[in-house]
Amino acid sequence: QVQLQESGPGLVKPSQTLSLTCTVSGGSISSGGYYWSWIRTHPGKGLEWIGYIYYTGRTYYNPSLKSRLAISIDTSQNHFSLDLTSVTAADTAVYYCARATWYLAPFDYWGQGSLVTVSS
Amino acid sequence: QSVLTQPPSMSAAPGQKVTISCSGSDSNIGSNYVSWYQQLPGTAPKLLIYDNNKRPSGIPDRFSGSKSGTSATLAITGLQTGDEADYYCGTWEISLSTVALFGGGTKLTVL
Repeated sequence: QVQLQESGPGLVKPSQTLSLTCTVSGGSISSGGYYWSWIRTHPGKGLEWIGYIYYTGRTYYNPSLKSRLAISIDTSQNHFSLDLTSVTAADTAVYYCARATWYLAPFDYWGQGSLVTVSS
Repeated sequence: QSVLTQPPSMSAAPGQKVTISCSGSDSNIGSNYVSWYQQLPGTAPKLLIYDNNKRPSGIPDRFSGSKSGTSATLAITGLQTGDEADYYCGTWEISLSTVALFGGGTKLTVL
C-alpha cells in the first residue's frame, strides 16, 4: 500500500520561500510511470493543482504559479519536493502531495495534507 | 472562480438519491476523462470515480459517474449520513500547457 507524507514548516513569512517534501513509502518513486503531484486547497475553497513531476525530472506546472514554482525529485531518498517563492497570504493553504498513475490520470493516493500559513 | 462549475451545495435525506453536476468545455471535459473525489471533513480527498464511470476497489456501487459532452454527473443512491462531505470533479486541459482542473466543490448535507 503506497503512502505519502508531507513535511515542512507550518509557518512561512511573506516574501520568503515555502518548501515542502513528500516522502513516499510502500513503493519506489521511480517505478510504474507515476506522476508525483502537489495540490492545495485554500481555507473554505476548492482544490487547486500546483504541478507534478515524473521520475525522470520532467515537470508540468500550473501556469498561474509557474514563475514562482519549482518541483524536484530525489529518487535515492524516495521523495519529491515543492518550492514556492515570494509567498503572500494568498498562498496560505493546506498542501497535499498525491500520485497520478499516468500522464493525464486521476490522483489515486494522497498525503494527509500539510497546513502552511503565510504570516509575519 | 473554477473552470469547472459545480453547485456549491446540495442536501438530501438519508436513503434518497442525489446527483451532482460538473460543467466544463470542449477543451477539458469534452476531451478528457472525468474523475470525482470525496473529501470528508478534516481528511484528504479520496478518489471516488475515475475514467468517467469507473470505481476504484472498495468504493460501493451506490456511487456512479457519467459524462455527456462537456458535462459530467456524480450520482449517489441510498444516501447515508457518512456521505456528508465535499465532492469535487476533476479533469485535464491540454492547450499551451497541461493543467489539471478541479471544480469548486459541492458540499453535500445529508439531513
